[in-house]
Amino acid sequence: GNSVTQMEGPVTLSEEAFLTINCTYTATGYPSLFWYVQYPGEGLQLLLKATKADDKGSNKGFEATYRKETTSFHLEKGSVQVSDSAVYFCALLNFGNEKLTFGTGTRLTIIP
Amino acid sequence: EAGVAQSPRYKIIEKRQSVAFWCNPISGHATLYWYQQILGQGPKLLIQFQNNGVVDDSQLPKDRFSAERLKGVDSTLKIQPAKLEDSAVYLCASSPPAGGPQHFGDGTRLSIL
Repeated sequence: GNSVTQMEGPVTLSEEAFLTINCTYTATGYPSLFWYVQYPGEGLQLLLKATKADDKGSNKGFEATYRKETTSFHLEKGSVQVSDSAVYFCALLNFGNEKLTFGTGTRLTIIP
Repeated sequence: EAGVAQSPRYKIIEKRQSVAFWCNPISGHATLYWYQQILGQGPKLLIQFQNNGVVDDSQLPKDRFSAERLKGVDSTLKIQPAKLEDSAVYLCASSPPAGGPQHFGDGTRLSIL
């Protein structure tokens, strides 16, 4: 079956630090990959996505590259801000059933 | 465009009571999903509708949970009777007919006493 494994948190960084949150997946076929972000008290928002191998998704300074050979989709940002504090979820979607499979989430806290 | 609307935002009930949640998806979105998100975990799909038909309810505890989407637009999720382990955030999401990313509402936080 499908599964997503995320770097365990919580992660605490200082403002302007470099961020990496690891994500690996197991899936049949060729899934699409997503990062969602959840701010306190809110629902999930799509942050970025990639639909095929070697695609790079990017948004708001965040990037992730779909690596088929390592089955990974690590999230990176060069310089984090306090406003990036949130929970980040990696997810995959297999076409045909449109079901999202989520990782357990990584809580990120940025301190000034 | 208006997002996915959910109500109520918060609900506190005692175990063995009943509760219902409401969701109005983004206009024109054919597919609607209900997820359960337990504290510290990722969302888990409970049920998926395509228009007013059920596509997948394999993870729905059918002895106590029910959901409907009668006119293919808004949807309700009901729990009867509630158990302590049902304490969670219940998220509704929708996606357009041609596929594409799911858009989530802000969720209903349910606490069972």
